Amino acid sequence: QITLKESGPTLVKPTQTLTLTCTFSGFSLSTSGVGVGWIRQPPGKALEWLALIYWDDDKRYSPSLKSRLTITKDTSKNQVVLTMTNMDPVDTATYYCAHRKTGNEWYYWGQGTLVTVSS
Amino acid sequence: QSVLTQPPSVSGAPGQRVTISCTGSSSNIGAGYDVHWYQQLPGTAPKLLIYGNSNRPSGVPDRFSGSKSGTSASLAISGLQAEDEADYYCQSYDSSLSGYWVFGGGTKLTVL
Repeated sequence: QITLKESGPTLVKPTQTLTLTCTFSGFSLSTSGVGVGWIRQPPGKALEWLALIYWDDDKRYSPSLKSRLTITKDTSKNQVVLTMTNMDPVDTATYYCAHRKTGNEWYYWGQGTLVTVSS
Repeated sequence: QSVLTQPPSVSGAPGQRVTISCTGSSSNIGAGYDVHWYQQLPGTAPKLLIYGNSNRPSGVPDRFSGSKSGTSASLAISGLQAEDEADYYCQSYDSSLSGYWVFGGGTKLTVL
């Protein structure tokens, strides 16, 4: 059974750096083809893909946010960490981590964590 | 402005069939990349509904079906039920700008 769970601060101030952790179980991020990604959803708005890290440590980022994002993995802890710098109120959203099996679909999702950016 | 275009809303009566369109371009759906669909019930995380254009994960009723043609894709829901009321998102991959995953703007399905 595959599960993912996001953790991190619920409130950050403008200009601060956000660090979110995705802790997963039921699969290994050292298995060929597997990836873990981050997707966010502002309140009442659409989903937006942010970043993905593959089993071989290949990393991909949203072109519009690339300069602010860093994704890393700790295979031994079954964790993926996303950092986003220079947070702004428009970054207020529910942040999800999700599992990529082999195709380009997001097969399993975490429950999401709401991050509010406010002073 | 989402890369994939969906109608903001659709509606139908119980038992009816509705379709939701998803229009892309030559760098995503038209380039041959698969389309996937997600259902998001109020207050919950998205759930994969259709993958690889027309495949259903285990547990998804066969009332849900997907298709793709050219630069567009469609999700069809037959035998509409009250519990189908949700937001639906299409998703694909875009080969421009070094490649990235793209979503539609979402469609709110209302069961009348």
